[in-house]
Amino acid sequence: DARVTQTPRHKVTEMGQEVTMRCQPILGHNTVFWYRQTMMQGLELLAYFRNRAPLDDSGMPKDRFSAEMPDATLATLKIQPSEPRDSAVYFCASGLGEGWEQYFGPGTRLTVT
Amino acid sequence: QQQVKQSPQSLIVQKGGISIINCAYENTAFDYFPWYQQFPGKGPALLIAIRPDVSEKKEGRFTISFNKSAKQFSLHIMDSQPGDSATYFCAASMLRRGAQKLVFGQGTRLTINP
Repeated sequence: DARVTQTPRHKVTEMGQEVTMRCQPILGHNTVFWYRQTMMQGLELLAYFRNRAPLDDSGMPKDRFSAEMPDATLATLKIQPSEPRDSAVYFCASGLGEGWEQYFGPGTRLTVT
Repeated sequence: QQQVKQSPQSLIVQKGGISIINCAYENTAFDYFPWYQQFPGKGPALLIAIRPDVSEKKEGRFTISFNKSAKQFSLHIMDSQPGDSATYFCAASMLRRGAQKLVFGQGTRLTINP
């Protein structure tokens, strides 16, 4: 069945290292969202794309985070350099059109030591 | 003004009972109110959603009640089952720059005792 896939599922890295998370949206979905979930802040929207074009990345720390969609089947979220406060679960979600219904992936659990 | 406030933080209900989770918002620009269900280790999954021109929506055992004037909405789970034990998130969204921008509540951890 159609699902959003994310890789890796778990990532442990040291402070200062680069981290890249990947997302494959549901085939045919043209809107992609990146979220971060922590106990303290809950679910926060980081950035979103429609038809591969970035629409809004105001939720991301600009200096270290970047999000791209190299093609319609791949979205990436990169953190460089990573910091312990970036430890969280990062979710990708995809949808059709304006994204009224968003389908979430299983997440990437990131731990920065 | 972008916040969605959710209560309670945790809820324990006996099997067969009614679970009720409440949310409130401030921004009247929100035009779509979904509820998501999340099991441990999984991503949130869309459960049910409502638009502000409707006061109630029911899907099986799940009902959303919406009060536009009070800017409040709630999720009712009838005949609660142990399999409903999960974290529930309310959300509100508005169209921004061509897509629905979701703002989530803090979540409610629901436990259904057998």
